[in-house]
Amino acid sequence: DVVLTQTPPTLSATIGQSVSISCRSSQSLLHSNGNTYLHWLLQRPGQSPQLLIYLVSRLESGVPNRFSGSGSGTDFTLKISGVEAEDLGVYYCVQGTHAPLTFGSGTKLEIK
Amino acid sequence: QVQMKETGPGLVQTTQTLSVTCTVSGFSLTSYGVHWVRQAPGKGLEWMGIIWGDGSTNYNSALKSRLSISRDTSKSQVFLTMNSLQTDDTAVYYCVNWELDYWGQGVMVTVSS
Repeated sequence: DVVLTQTPPTLSATIGQSVSISCRSSQSLLHSNGNTYLHWLLQRPGQSPQLLIYLVSRLESGVPNRFSGSGSGTDFTLKISGVEAEDLGVYYCVQGTHAPLTFGSGTKLEIK
Repeated sequence: QVQMKETGPGLVQTTQTLSVTCTVSGFSLTSYGVHWVRQAPGKGLEWMGIIWGDGSTNYNSALKSRLSISRDTSKSQVFLTMNSLQTDDTAVYYCVNWELDYWGQGVMVTVSS
């Protein structure tokens, strides 16, 4: 199975600060069809996860554009440009290129 | 508008069988797949399996011997059945649409002896 390694495991930020989360895959996530099925989720406290970014860099409808995704192959990054209070929670990367679907271990974002 | 809702027992005894139902609206089960994902208390997300639009299934190899996913398309329902439950199956169980953009609210299942 593909292993996704997220760093850092925890992140503490002030309002307005920009932060990045890394997700590294044990193998390339480039599918033979040319797509890279690497997505980012946010799980706010007490809530179900929600999709933020899909296919590496595409912003899900309704998600603020302070969120952005980048990367290719095995290295991916989620960036939040100007953290807001509502951004606290746990961020997960997830890959669907190789069965089975696998998730990173999560990065907890705390607001100082 | 897509909606997904899980229903199931809050408490199950060890060695017994878990049954959870996911009722969907806003899309057809014959067109799109539905995942099951679970989350143990304080832990990360674990993919359990998927039922595809054509009715075929794929399972997490670690759960495959105990897990079954089925559906009733006339009722827009997907069923998760897992036997031989142990305490480490205690988790919130989510159904999720194929593209991961719609999640149910989850159902907490506690496995206790």
